[in-house]
Amino acid sequence: SAVISQKPSRDICQRGTSLTIQCQVDSQVTMMFWYRQQPGQSLTLIATANQGSEATYESGFVIDKFPISRPNLTFSTLTVSNMSPEDSSIYLCSVEVGSRHTQYFGPGTRLTVL
Amino acid sequence: EDQVTQSPEALRLQEGESSSLNCSYTVSGLRGLFWYRQDPGKGPEFLFTLYSAGEEKEKERLKATLTKKESFLHITAPKPEDSATYLCAVQGPAAGNKLTFGGGTRVLVKP
Repeated sequence: SAVISQKPSRDICQRGTSLTIQCQVDSQVTMMFWYRQQPGQSLTLIATANQGSEATYESGFVIDKFPISRPNLTFSTLTVSNMSPEDSSIYLCSVEVGSRHTQYFGPGTRLTVL
Repeated sequence: EDQVTQSPEALRLQEGESSSLNCSYTVSGLRGLFWYRQDPGKGPEFLFTLYSAGEEKEKERLKATLTKKESFLHITAPKPEDSATYLCAVQGPAAGNKLTFGGGTRVLVKP
């Protein structure tokens, strides 16, 4: 398994601003993922972030809105840019561990945009 | 495109009343089917991975089974601490290592 931490745990932001969410893992991992969980909904993958390459975004998500950095094998950031109330969600990072492709999740960042 | 449907959306149980949650899926070449538990305000907690039809996994009061079209999560003699949302996700080769999640089943176990 893996121990994953996220910062901040929650935040309240004004529309038009940006927020950067950090994800730290206690071991080196190749694949990291960023998900969004809108209120009362299940998880939707935003992008896959592999160290040493550009992030791969899912349909409906673009780099200008959700830029991602992956500077090393234990850390990643997701920025939510030019926020609107529709961006209010829980943002989760996950990492894939082991040969059986199991993903473990961080505690999430609860974002409210006013 | 991979699809996952979970039923029921919500389940209210009395303590000790066993039940099953369903996860129906469509995927072109299943690499793995994953069950997670999510408590309010927390990230999903990994429970099981199933890889092939006929496989079963158990953990305390939970047992997961897999067929070619669906998976069941059986909760035997549940306790109030089993109250949570249970999420099912599939991973298929066409989507790389992406997980596609179902909508989840909210389980409430009353004492």
